[in-house]
Amino acid sequence: QQPVQSPQAVILREGEDAVINCSSSKALYSVHWYRQKHGEAPVFLMILLKGGEQKGHEKISASFNEKKQQSSLYLTASQLSYSGTYFCGTAINNNDMRFGAGTRLTVKP
Amino acid sequence: DTAVSQTPKYLVTQMGNDKSIKCEQNLGHDTMYWYKQDSKKFLKIMFSYNNKELIINETVPNRFSPKSPDKAHLNLHINSLELGDSAVYFCASTATGEISGNTIYFGEGSWLTVV
Repeated sequence: QQPVQSPQAVILREGEDAVINCSSSKALYSVHWYRQKHGEAPVFLMILLKGGEQKGHEKISASFNEKKQQSSLYLTASQLSYSGTYFCGTAINNNDMRFGAGTRLTVKP
Repeated sequence: DTAVSQTPKYLVTQMGNDKSIKCEQNLGHDTMYWYKQDSKKFLKIMFSYNNKELIINETVPNRFSPKSPDKAHLNLHINSLELGDSAVYFCASTATGEISGNTIYFGEGSWLTVV
């Protein structure tokens, strides 16, 4: 069963912040975040493995609440290059990676 | 070198035809996937294989038949193509058992258009 992502779409001005949420009804082995630009393959951003783990990637960070099976992706001081569709991927084991419906992020000047 | 390579990148074909998409990874990974991304951008899992063995078959019609001759290759054959099969098909691979987690690497995608 695929995870649920929210919101479906976000429009920001440069410099604004955004949060994208991801939740699953199943106990998770790991949570992954990917960004896809139009016409390209999804690109890996980060993986979270443990409950309460947080990671950062430049101005993009994420958290994973293992108890709630929820993860959030935080984009701070957004740049034009952040535009794209963000997917969370959830794995219940090593061979089963499923993706949410995606969140389309548009950053405007 | 491309880590996960798919061929062809673009494919336009008529309804009823049979076509194949090939995928190869040179990362030494043991798990490979096929995902379908439709016009709504939803990335839907189709199949996963681990060391040539089918692990997941996500209620995909029998017209779709994956084949993994070895753990570095996972091909997708589609019979009797239908209009609804038009989508981007992504191959992906990962290494299970890594302490750092099983990051998935995607191929560039194969754009299939059925007319």
